[in-house]
Amino acid sequence: NAGVTQTPKFQVLKTGQSMTLQCAQDMNHEYMSWYRQDPGMGLRLIHYSVGAGITDQGEVPNGYNVSRSTTEDFPLRLLSAAPSQTSVYFCASSYTPPGLAGTYEQYFGPGTRLTVT
Amino acid sequence: GQQVMQIPQYQHVQEGEDFTTYCNSSTTLSNIQWYKQRPGGHPVFLIQLVKSGEVKKQKRLTFQFGEAKKNSSLHITATQTTDVGTYFCAGPGNTPLVFGKGTRLSVIA
Repeated sequence: NAGVTQTPKFQVLKTGQSMTLQCAQDMNHEYMSWYRQDPGMGLRLIHYSVGAGITDQGEVPNGYNVSRSTTEDFPLRLLSAAPSQTSVYFCASSYTPPGLAGTYEQYFGPGTRLTVT
Repeated sequence: GQQVMQIPQYQHVQEGEDFTTYCNSSTTLSNIQWYKQRPGGHPVFLIQLVKSGEVKKQKRLTFQFGEAKKNSSLHITATQTTDVGTYFCAGPGNTPLVFGKGTRLSVIA
């Protein structure tokens, strides 16, 4: 198993450009999510999905779109990049959504470091 | 909204000293998770606590869930340089999983 993979590892964008961060998992996990990590801010949830075709907003969704057409893939789209979106982005997945019974440990991808100039 | 607060934000210890980080929630948690992130790496799951007053150990790491299920702690005995990193707690809240801001541990050899 490759686990959770993310591409690209690094990206530099100019203000106003759009791009898609890719995330894929091969563990047949139902729950997938995107976080951004900024210094001193911890991990903040952007969007999440509890299964194919179902997505919802997290804590900081503005400026980002997601879709979940398959169980394996959960891309994050930046519509019009802004310097405030400079961050490290992590995709994570778990077998079941948090809040259900059982252990739902999150498996994180290696991250994408994004700089917007 | 529900908040998860961690203290301290930073901790510098000499190798061999003990270390404790605390996690406090503004609401009762059904469970709490702990993660470790090495510098330049991604968060890695350590443990999940579910029961009130639960205590779990992993070698030199001791995790505790408060009786009221609103606080938790992670204690590391005799720190080693391999313990360096940021430790996060996380629990269900307004969003499926809310992370604390983490405690960054540095160990001086």
